[in-house]
Amino acid sequence: SQTIHQWPATLVQPVGSPLSLECTVEGTSNPNLYWYRQAAGRGLQLLFYSVGIGQISSEVPQNLSASRPQDRQFILSSKKLLLSDSGFYLCAWSSLDTQYFGPGTRLTVL
Amino acid sequence: AQTVTQSQPEMSVQEAETVTLSCTYDTSESDYYLFWYKQPPSRQMILVIRQEAYKQQNATENRFSVNFQKAAKSFSLKISDSQLGDAAMYFCAYRSAYGVGTASKLTFGTGTRLQVTL
Repeated sequence: SQTIHQWPATLVQPVGSPLSLECTVEGTSNPNLYWYRQAAGRGLQLLFYSVGIGQISSEVPQNLSASRPQDRQFILSSKKLLLSDSGFYLCAWSSLDTQYFGPGTRLTVL
Repeated sequence: AQTVTQSQPEMSVQEAETVTLSCTYDTSESDYYLFWYKQPPSRQMILVIRQEAYKQQNATENRFSVNFQKAAKSFSLKISDSQLGDAAMYFCAYRSAYGVGTASKLTFGTGTRLQVTL
């Protein structure tokens, strides 16, 4: 069966510091991968989508970037965090029309 | 652009009773997918049920079932025999059947918080 992992689970970072969140998927090949952000009390907003290694599409221009160095690895990064980057970050994978989510990372920028 | 509306910020149900969560959506597309996700306090989004728009039959998964009204653009979730573990935020989501790339994204409603009481 497929499983999706995210780490770290929780992160507290100062403004201006770099960021790296990692997502890995097991049990499937060539998945479509997504990064979403959830602000407090809100639904999810798509940040990035990847259909394959090195192929990244951005939904919303912002302070973040994404990379896919391996088939089942998806990384969310920032060179300098802003206060507004705080939130809950969820990675998801899909093979067809259904998306399955990882456990998420809670990011607090102080 | 598609929108998803959940008009009930909070709902409450007694254990073993039945509750229905409402969702409406707006789209000009004829083929799409609709989902209900559950987000417990752990905050992981868990798929509850999935409906394909071209299928008239309502989807069911054990105690969970939907009432899909395509003409009315309505997609409600019914939870039967509610259990304490059902307490969570429930999100309705839409996905275009035509979407590729970022158009394959899920569009979420704002969620309904379900409380289950003894």
